[in-house]
Amino acid sequence: SQKIEQNSEALNIQEGKTATLTCNYTNYSPAYLQWYRQDPGRGPVFLLLIRENEKEKRKERLKVTFDTTLKQSLFHITASQPADSATYLCALSGNTGKLIFGQGTTLQVKP
Amino acid sequence: GAVVSQHPSWVICKSGTSVKIECRSLDFQATTMFWYRQFPKQSLMLMATSNEGSKATYEQGVEKDKFLINHASLTLSTLTVTSAHPEDSSFYICSARRTFSSGANVLTFGAGSRLTVL
Repeated sequence: SQKIEQNSEALNIQEGKTATLTCNYTNYSPAYLQWYRQDPGRGPVFLLLIRENEKEKRKERLKVTFDTTLKQSLFHITASQPADSATYLCALSGNTGKLIFGQGTTLQVKP
Repeated sequence: GAVVSQHPSWVICKSGTSVKIECRSLDFQATTMFWYRQFPKQSLMLMATSNEGSKATYEQGVEKDKFLINHASLTLSTLTVTSAHPEDSSFYICSARRTFSSGANVLTFGAGSRLTVL
């Protein structure tokens, strides 16, 4: 069955450092990979989308890489800030729009 | 743009009663909406795909008679939890799909509804 794995342990980093979150998947060939941010008690918010034929995508302090050979995506936040503290969800989809989510990794940025 | 409103944000009900949750796309039309369920510290689990004007498609293991979904218009989908029991207590989140010219589909989520069944 399709499986998405994100590091379940919280990631704690110092303000100003780069946070790197990992998303691995098996038994799936997604057309798109997306990253969402979720704050406690709130719905997820879309951050970035990368297609299967793209290697890297950037948006301000965010960078996503997508390696379909390794079946892995890395999500980077540069110059991290305490306001970046949240849970980050990786999601995969084909062409139907139906997303499958990983369990998320909680990031804590300390001032 | 692209705002999805979900109501109520929290609800407490007695066991055996039914609860309706509304999901509205405020500034765009959504032919497809998705309903998710999330338990504490766990991932979002897709419950069903709601298609405007047709029956919802339920994921394996989700009781369609328990979780009634109606998508009567391009901006409104509702989820009714019928005869709710304490084990139905959870965080329910809806999302509306937007399709871009590239073919990519992005979801805009509502803020979620916290259901507590006593």
